[in-house]
Amino acid sequence: QQQVKQSPQSLIVQKGGIPIINCAYENTAFDYFPWYQQFPGKGPALLIAIRPDVSEKKEGRFTISFNKSAKQFSLHIMDSQPGDSATYFCAARGENSGNTPLVFGKGTRLSVIA
Amino acid sequence: EAGVVQSPRYKIIEKKQPVAFWCNPISGHNTLYWYRQNLGQGPELLIRYENEEAVDDSQLPKDRFSAERLKGVDSTLKIQPAELGDSAVYLCASSLDYGEAFFGQGTRLTVV
Repeated sequence: QQQVKQSPQSLIVQKGGIPIINCAYENTAFDYFPWYQQFPGKGPALLIAIRPDVSEKKEGRFTISFNKSAKQFSLHIMDSQPGDSATYFCAARGENSGNTPLVFGKGTRLSVIA
Repeated sequence: EAGVVQSPRYKIIEKKQPVAFWCNPISGHNTLYWYRQNLGQGPELLIRYENEEAVDDSQLPKDRFSAERLKGVDSTLKIQPAELGDSAVYLCASSLDYGEAFFGQGTRLTVV
């Protein structure tokens, strides 16, 4: 079954807009939540990650919001640019429960139009 | 520093033929992963190595897939015989212990 559910499947925003991508999980053993960015023909690259001891993490224009009680986390991209057009994957892993491998969401294809 | 190197980048084979993919991880990374990414989907783990040992191969279809990581460095993933449903991108990733995973560019396999 899908361990990490991601939405929406695709997203189109105007340049300067703030796309938001959401993920939900069920496994309470997950304690590491990264977001990956993938351009066509490339492998996924780590963008930003969060652990459940904080509710928000910012790195440049990228912010993760984390809601432990709801078992949800989301990625916000501030002042989005056409160069942000890519597929974004949320993922999760249990670091303190035997280092389970990363499980990925199905991805969100983001298009930022000028 | 070189990243994870995979070859070939593209492979087209007829069904029932064998195929092999090669991965050279980042130097010093002891953990190596093979993932499969179907079109429009997220990567799914096939096998994870810690040094030479396969510590998680529960998702590897062992009737046709095999993998090895000799000397705990390079790794090879093999499919024999290939089926139409094996068409996908095969991604290799490596990490130092269970830190950040760095992915290669992948091998796009097309089975016709």
